[in-house]
Amino acid sequence: GAVVSQHPSWVICKSGTSVKIECRSLDFQATTMFWYRQFPKQSLMLMATSNEGSKATYEQGVEKDKFLINHASLTLSTLTVTSAHPEDSSFYICSATLRLTSYNEQFFGPGTRLTVL
Amino acid sequence: AQSVAQPEDQVNVAEGNPLTVKCTYSVSGNPYLFWYVQYPNRGLQFLLKYITGDNLVKGSYGFEAEFNKSQTSFHLKKPSALVSDSALYFCAVREDDSGYALNFGKGTSLLVTP
Repeated sequence: GAVVSQHPSWVICKSGTSVKIECRSLDFQATTMFWYRQFPKQSLMLMATSNEGSKATYEQGVEKDKFLINHASLTLSTLTVTSAHPEDSSFYICSATLRLTSYNEQFFGPGTRLTVL
Repeated sequence: AQSVAQPEDQVNVAEGNPLTVKCTYSVSGNPYLFWYVQYPNRGLQFLLKYITGDNLVKGSYGFEAEFNKSQTSFHLKKPSALVSDSALYFCAVREDDSGYALNFGKGTSLLVTP
């Protein structure tokens, strides 16, 4: 199946710094990528939908100025957590869809564990 | 509005026994249903999906799921559980015309004991 990678797999940073997480589709072109956040023992919560070459669509309650998403190419989307605080510590997972139809499954990256001290 | 419920936080089963992980959904249109599995500190792996057609869907690693429209359920099943099946399982739903984002259940932790 299609492969999605994320980098880094884990990151520890100081409060107030910014962290960039990369999501890449390795063997296909993804016109749409999704960013999720997962708290311990909880489900995935969709943060935003990222379309190549256009602005991301954020879910209600997600601060777009804090979670900057860039989807500059068909194989790369980035999530930047700006001015990170301890409450931003979480597991961030991206996914990509092979073709933009509602019935196609999303392929998920392995996730990035962010710890803000 | 669309939603999905996984009523069990944890399912315990002995190796070799059949397993069932329950999922019910609520949508106003036609549902697209998915099952994913997550191992610790890993992303989600796709198991199977129901779009249309046969109500019994076969997926990866010997898993299957049965779509029941009258009961609005999409339970995940496997005839003979393996210890390596122990993981977190997520059911997800999307309406056919609601866009592309998935709505996930809270997850069910499956523990298969030797």
